[in-house]
Amino acid sequence: AQTVTQSQPEMSVQEAETVTLSCTYDTSESNYYLFWYKQPPSRQMILVIRQEAYKQQNATENRFSVNFQKAAKSFSLKISDSQLGDTAMYFCAFMKHSAGNKLTFGGGTRVLVKP
Amino acid sequence: SQTIHQWPATLVQPVGSPLSLECTVEGTSNPNLYWYRQAAGRGLQLLFYSVGIGQISSEVPQNLSASRPQDRQFILSSKKLLLSDSGFYLCAWSVGSGSTDTQYFGPGTRLTVL
Repeated sequence: AQTVTQSQPEMSVQEAETVTLSCTYDTSESNYYLFWYKQPPSRQMILVIRQEAYKQQNATENRFSVNFQKAAKSFSLKISDSQLGDTAMYFCAFMKHSAGNKLTFGGGTRVLVKP
Repeated sequence: SQTIHQWPATLVQPVGSPLSLECTVEGTSNPNLYWYRQAAGRGLQLLFYSVGIGQISSEVPQNLSASRPQDRQFILSSKKLLLSDSGFYLCAWSVGSGSTDTQYFGPGTRLTVL
C-alpha cells in the first residue's frame, strides 16, 4: 500500500514571499502520478499541479512549481509571490497508474499568507 | 465543459436515520467516480470508486454503501447512521487513462450526525 506524508502541519508566509511545502511518499510502483490539491475555506478541492513520474522535468503552473525527486520519493511544492488567496489547506496526493485511479492523500499542510 | 454537482450541501441527521447523498457529472461520458470522506482537520479517505454502471469497489469496510444507477450518477447511502459517519463527503470524477487521469472534485456535503 502507498503512504503519503506531509510533515508540516502549518506554515505561514508574508505576502509576496515564497513558501515550500514538503511531501514524501512510499511506493513500490514505478509508474504513477503525484498531485497537489488546494482546499480553501469553501472546502472544495482544487487541483494545483500534477506530475507524471516518468517525466524528469519538474511541473510548473504559474506561481506554483514542484521539486520532484523520484529516487528520494519526495515531491515538494513551491508557492512563489504568495497572495492572500493562497491561504488554504494543501494536500499532496499519489495515484498509481491502474484501473480506478485511486488517490492516496497526505494529512495536509495549512498555509496562512499574511498581509 | 464538465461540471460536478453534489447535494445536499449540508445535512444534519439523527443517529440511526438513513442517508442518501447524490453526485452527478455533466459534460462527459463513462467517467470514473469516487466518494471520499474528510474528517475535521484531516486528509481525504477513499470510500468507494466506480469505473462503470453497477460496478462499485469498496475501500473501507463501514456502515456506508454506494450505487451507480446511471452512467453519471453516484449515490452514497446508509441504512442507519452512526456518530462516526459525521464528516465532509466529496465526490470526484476522472476519465480515461494516461494524461487524463486527474480527479476533479465536487463542492462536497457536510454531514453532521447527532
